[in-house]
Amino acid sequence: EVQLSESGGGLVQPGGSLRLSCAASGFTFSSYAMSWVRQTPGKGLEWVSSVSGGGHAAYYADSVKGRFTISRDNSKNTLYLQMNSLSVDDTALYYCGKGRFGVPVDVWGKGTTVTVSS
Amino acid sequence: QSALTQPASVSGSPGQSITISCTGTSSDVGGFNYVSWYQQHPGRAPKLMIYEVSNRPSGVSSRFSGSKSGNTASLTISGLQAEDEADYYCNSYTSASTWVFGGGTKVTVL
Repeated sequence: EVQLSESGGGLVQPGGSLRLSCAASGFTFSSYAMSWVRQTPGKGLEWVSSVSGGGHAAYYADSVKGRFTISRDNSKNTLYLQMNSLSVDDTALYYCGKGRFGVPVDVWGKGTTVTVSS
Repeated sequence: QSALTQPASVSGSPGQSITISCTGTSSDVGGFNYVSWYQQHPGRAPKLMIYEVSNRPSGVSSRFSGSKSGNTASLTISGLQAEDEADYYCNSYTSASTWVFGGGTKVTVL
């Protein structure tokens, strides 16, 4: 069974940094692209970033480009999201997701909450 | 990266069929057959219901179907059931090699 478990969320001040992790199991991690998607309280879904299976290609939403960095350690079956220069607009529930060809996420984690506030 | 346009809400009675539209541009929905639909119940993670415009993942009811015409994709739920009451989001690949979601549609079963 595919399982994804996010961690690393928390409360951070504006301008601060946070690193999210997503531990994966139940599939050949290095064979699949992975993504981060966030959801603001009571609002919709926003795609944040995706990385190829090998980790060599990364893509970002304009809203986070230059501030967030997606990466993966295929030896540890773990996906990361380094978030810098955080603003209150980054407050959201962050989901990790396994991708497949033509689909950004076909299996979702339960999410980890990031709150940016002074 | 503007969000795809979905109606805020759609409602129907049990047994009826409803259709949710998802309008984009030639740079996303109209340019690629990589449109997905997700169902999200309150407090739960989204669930993939349709991928590549019209394909259903294993385990998803055949009451859910997808289609596309030009820059607009659609999700149809036939034989509406109480359990279908949820938020639904469309998603598309874009010419910028990114993904974009719709704003979401709340489906209410009357």
